[in-house]
Amino acid sequence: GAGVSQTPSNKVTEKGKYVELRCDPISGHTALYWYRQSLGQGPEFLIYFQGTGAADDSGLPNDRFFAVRPEGSVSTLKIQRTERGDSAVYLCASSTQPTTGAGSGANVLTFGAGSRLTVL
Amino acid sequence: AQRVTQPEKLLSVFKGAPVELKCNYSYSGSPELFWYVQYSRQRLQLLLRHISRESIKGFTADLNKGETSFHLKKPFAQEEDSAMYYCALFPYGQNFVFGPGTRLSVLP
Repeated sequence: GAGVSQTPSNKVTEKGKYVELRCDPISGHTALYWYRQSLGQGPEFLIYFQGTGAADDSGLPNDRFFAVRPEGSVSTLKIQRTERGDSAVYLCASSTQPTTGAGSGANVLTFGAGSRLTVL
Repeated sequence: AQRVTQPEKLLSVFKGAPVELKCNYSYSGSPELFWYVQYSRQRLQLLLRHISRESIKGFTADLNKGETSFHLKKPFAQEEDSAMYYCALFPYGQNFVFGPGTRLSVLP
């Protein structure tokens, strides 16, 4: 697609339920990032995929959070036993393969519109 | 650990006045620095990056490695510049680290 697509745009659930959030990155972008943004705060890193594998999942807050990217394109963020504190906007972003050199056209994140999760 | 600070949560200026949004970072290596902007009801988008050395919408930012700063400046603010601005650090090979953001309000 032309941009990063996230579904659903809004999700209201009850405490204790299971939730899946989907991200469809820009075609050809090998890197995919998940961030969480709470009200009045900046994006907080959750997990980063390079291809199919999670290159860095150090931002996942606990084992209730899990993300997959089985074919190296679409990714799903899964939250088990949701809690009220999980309420936030979940942002997905993609980029071409990150490089280690300045002057590259890579290393630029393109964001989706986000999925707003509300846990009652 | 890498960290980005933006000391002002809210910055209000009058139209036509100069504006400076402050950003400081902590990282021992040589990262890439970015400014992202989020206009009302729009998604987060790239404004500029330090390696491009460009002026985008009249904004510029200079990386000062000695002071570990990457302040965003514009000589004459416009009402359409009102938005949330996030400074971001990219330590090569790692994930992007964002600051808490500054809300810029340009008053008529």
